[in-house]
Amino acid sequence: NAGVIQTPRHKVTGKGQEATLWCEPISGHSAVFWYRQTIVQGLEFLTYFRNQAPIDDSGMPKERFSAQMPNQSHSTLKIQSTQPQDSAVYLCASSLAWGSAETLYFGSGTRLTVL
Amino acid sequence: QQKVQQSPESLIVPEGGMASLNCTSSDRNVDYFWWYRQHSGKSPKMLMSIFSNGEKEEGRFTVHLNKASLHTSLHIRDSQPSDSALYLCAASPASSGSWQLIFGSGTQLTVMP
Repeated sequence: NAGVIQTPRHKVTGKGQEATLWCEPISGHSAVFWYRQTIVQGLEFLTYFRNQAPIDDSGMPKERFSAQMPNQSHSTLKIQSTQPQDSAVYLCASSLAWGSAETLYFGSGTRLTVL
Repeated sequence: QQKVQQSPESLIVPEGGMASLNCTSSDRNVDYFWWYRQHSGKSPKMLMSIFSNGEKEEGRFTVHLNKASLHTSLHIRDSQPSDSALYLCAASPASSGSWQLIFGSGTQLTVMP
C-alpha cells in the first residue's frame, strides 16, 4: 500500500500564475480531504469529497480555488491567479469510509511557493 | 477564533520524563477527539483517538477525555527523543451530517537527551 500520493512535492509559481496540485488517495478509500498548513494558521480544512461527490467546500477561498475528483483514483486542487499568501503545504488525506470516527491518512503534501 | 485550542504551544521535557498536552474544543457539537503526530518534514499520522469519557492507554501513551468540559489530554510517559514532534489535536462532530475534522494549532514537543 503506497499510501496517499501527492504530486508534485514542490511547486514554485509566480504571482498571478495557476497551480494545479494532484492527489491519489489510498485505493478503496471513499473520502478525500484537502487541507493546507502554514506556521501561522496551522492545519486548515479546505474541502472534502465522498465517493467523488463534493460534500463541503466551506474552507475554500471561493474566487480562486477549485477542487475536483473526476474519478475514484485522483483529485485535483487548482489555484488560479496565485498570490503570495497562498504559499503553504497543501495536504491531501483519505479515509476508508465517511464519518466522524474515521482515521485520516495524509499524503506527504505539496509545498507551494508563490513568488 | 480557533475552535480547538491546544496548550502549551511548546513543551520541553527530559528523556524519560512525562509530557502532558492539553486540548479543548469551544464547539459543543464535537463529540470525537483525535491526536495526530507530525514529525518535522513529514505528514500528520493518527496517534490515538478517544470517543468516550474516561481514559485510554496504548503503550507509553494515555489519553483522557472529559466530554462535559470538551477537554482531552495526552500524556507520554518515559518520553524518548523520537517523540519530538508537533502534536495536533482534532475534533469532529458525531452527527453524520456535513462533517469536517478541525485541528488545533498543535503543541511542539521536544524531548532532550
